[in-house]
Amino acid sequence: ELKVEQNPLFLSMQEGKNYTIYCNYSTTSDRLYWYRQDPGKSLESLFVLLSNGAVKQEGRLMASLDTKARLSTLHITAAVHDLSATYFCAASNINNAGNMLTFGGGTRLMVKP
Amino acid sequence: GAGVSQSPSNKVTEKGKDVELRCDPISGHTALYWYRQSLGQGLEFLIYFQGNSAPDKSGLPSDRFSAERTGGSVSTLTIQRTQQEDSAVYLCASSRERRNEKLFFGSGTQLSVL
Repeated sequence: ELKVEQNPLFLSMQEGKNYTIYCNYSTTSDRLYWYRQDPGKSLESLFVLLSNGAVKQEGRLMASLDTKARLSTLHITAAVHDLSATYFCAASNINNAGNMLTFGGGTRLMVKP
Repeated sequence: GAGVSQSPSNKVTEKGKDVELRCDPISGHTALYWYRQSLGQGLEFLIYFQGNSAPDKSGLPSDRFSAERTGGSVSTLTIQRTQQEDSAVYLCASSRERRNEKLFFGSGTQLSVL
């Protein structure tokens, strides 16, 4: 059974600081997704990582994937208040057809001015 | 174009009543998923539809939960004899058929069982 764990679960940081959210998954997966969720809103896709060593960047966020370590990271550079949200990673089970995803528990990020 | 549409956005019901939640996926998306998000929790997979194939129901928590998808488009999630533990946000997502396509989520239905 595929399990996905994120840490930390809660992160409070100052504007301008850097930090990394970690996502570990338990079995072989061929895809790793990062989503953002604002309070009361739905999930917004941030990144899709498809191969070992994949790195994607959008603004102050950078995601990477190490399939050998079964680890993905979401790095935040020079955080700003607008990045405050809950971030989820999700992995697909390679044995499942389609895009069925298993989600981590989420990391609630608060960026303080 | 339009995104994934879910209705109602909020539903308050009494314990023991049946509820129906609707999802209208993005046009052309053949895959449709239902997830459940309980307060402060991550997302729990419920059911997956792909084209005309038999749905993957492995995530449904009990036989009180069922879902159908008519004409390969709109889906309805039905919860019979609702219980308080069914209270959650029910999220629908759709995607194209290929495996590496990302899922697009609707805004969800907030279900409260009193």
